[in-house]
Amino acid sequence: KAGVTQTPRYLIKTRGQQVTLSCSPISGHRSVSWYQQTPGQGLQFLFEYFSETQRNKGNFPGRFSGRQFSNSRSEMNVSTLELGDSALYLCASSLVASGAGYNEQFFGPGTRLTVL
Amino acid sequence: AQSVTQLDSQVPVFEEAPVELRCNYSSSVSVYLFWYVQYPNQGLQLLLKYLSGSTLVESINGFEAEFNKSQTSFHLRKPSVHISDTAEYFCAVSNTGFQKLVFGTGTRLLVSP
Repeated sequence: KAGVTQTPRYLIKTRGQQVTLSCSPISGHRSVSWYQQTPGQGLQFLFEYFSETQRNKGNFPGRFSGRQFSNSRSEMNVSTLELGDSALYLCASSLVASGAGYNEQFFGPGTRLTVL
Repeated sequence: AQSVTQLDSQVPVFEEAPVELRCNYSSSVSVYLFWYVQYPNQGLQLLLKYLSGSTLVESINGFEAEFNKSQTSFHLRKPSVHISDTAEYFCAVSNTGFQKLVFGTGTRLLVSP
């Protein structure tokens, strides 16, 4: 079974631009979560999607948004990029969403975003 | 709010020596506890987890961790490390029933010959 895939793997943008990152979960997984990893702040939860609905949200500004499609693929968008948005963005998928007991999250390799 | 503290940012150790990576957490509710490993330019891989039951959990590659509720700790140990164990290790906690993981700041394990 193929793992979680994220595209692109590397991205360079300039301040003020917007960016869209894509995540394809493991086949059959319906929950997708996004995390931001930076040297200063570490790993921080962005949001979780299940059945095209955002179920949980972390403490990030409204510039960070996401969505999930009917095939469970997810995208996250960052508008008006700032230098501090440079990070590794990780996506994780699991069979079901919050509220259904423990569901192991499987992480993708991440998209490394550099904002110049 | 939950939080996770990993007391050591970097742990250097010689090959075949034992190692302990420390993790303490705070939470007012029941939690699940995890250790993840991250190799360079890769995502996170689940190393082991505590959900309930036996407080000692083991991974397939020789790591083990013990859940200590009174000390709110979940330290990771390995009796004999290999060069290939060089990586960054993250302790994480989640509320039971929720997918949101709260991570510690990570411990870089450096194994030298």
